[in-house]
Amino acid sequence: DTGVSQDPRHKITKRGQNVTFRCDPISEHNRLYWYRQTLGQGPEFLTYFQNEAQLEKSRLLSDRFSAERPKGSFSTLEIQRTEQGDSAMYLCASSGADRNTGELFFGEGSRLTVL
Amino acid sequence: GNSVTQMEGPVTLSEEAFLTINCTYTATGYPSLFWYVQYPGEGLQLLLKATKADDKGSNKGFEATYRKETTSFHLEKGSVQVSDSAVYFCALTRTNTGNQFYFGTGTSLTVIP
Repeated sequence: DTGVSQDPRHKITKRGQNVTFRCDPISEHNRLYWYRQTLGQGPEFLTYFQNEAQLEKSRLLSDRFSAERPKGSFSTLEIQRTEQGDSAMYLCASSGADRNTGELFFGEGSRLTVL
Repeated sequence: GNSVTQMEGPVTLSEEAFLTINCTYTATGYPSLFWYVQYPGEGLQLLLKATKADDKGSNKGFEATYRKETTSFHLEKGSVQVSDSAVYFCALTRTNTGNQFYFGTGTSLTVIP
């Protein structure tokens, strides 16, 4: 499968623990996005990379959240000291260099449950 | 700012019924408009898009026309099938940045035989 893959698909953790999610984008895509989706809501933008550079971060992304894309390929999203309000589906998406295409390719998401 | 407002669901229709899901937007500049669909157990995928005013996006029997005068991008299908049951998201991105996509809250559609 050459689509966007995310790992793990489900994570249950206790409040205060750290969690890390990984995203492998489509190999030729240079743009990578993280979104958060809660029940009954649309995806909310968290952050965006072009190659290895993190170019935008949402105000939603508190200092407990950090994202990296060290070699411009896969990306990780870490949440430190998790809170119950962090429970959500974390979506990764990638897109190609053609800005006019505008299509995002999404992974199936990583569902986080904080107890 | 940029935002999308779409019709709240859930929507339940009988097979072969006509579907409309309303979407209006607020944006600075000249946005591109999209409909994404999420089938049960799957990730979001692009259904159709339109990049300028009066463009019509179409795919799988679905259509939406970019109406700048009414800031709308309503999704329509003339005859829905059970396999169209999914959650539909309207979204926009600004063409001069292309970085952030703004999504609506989603409309759940169930088609019954």
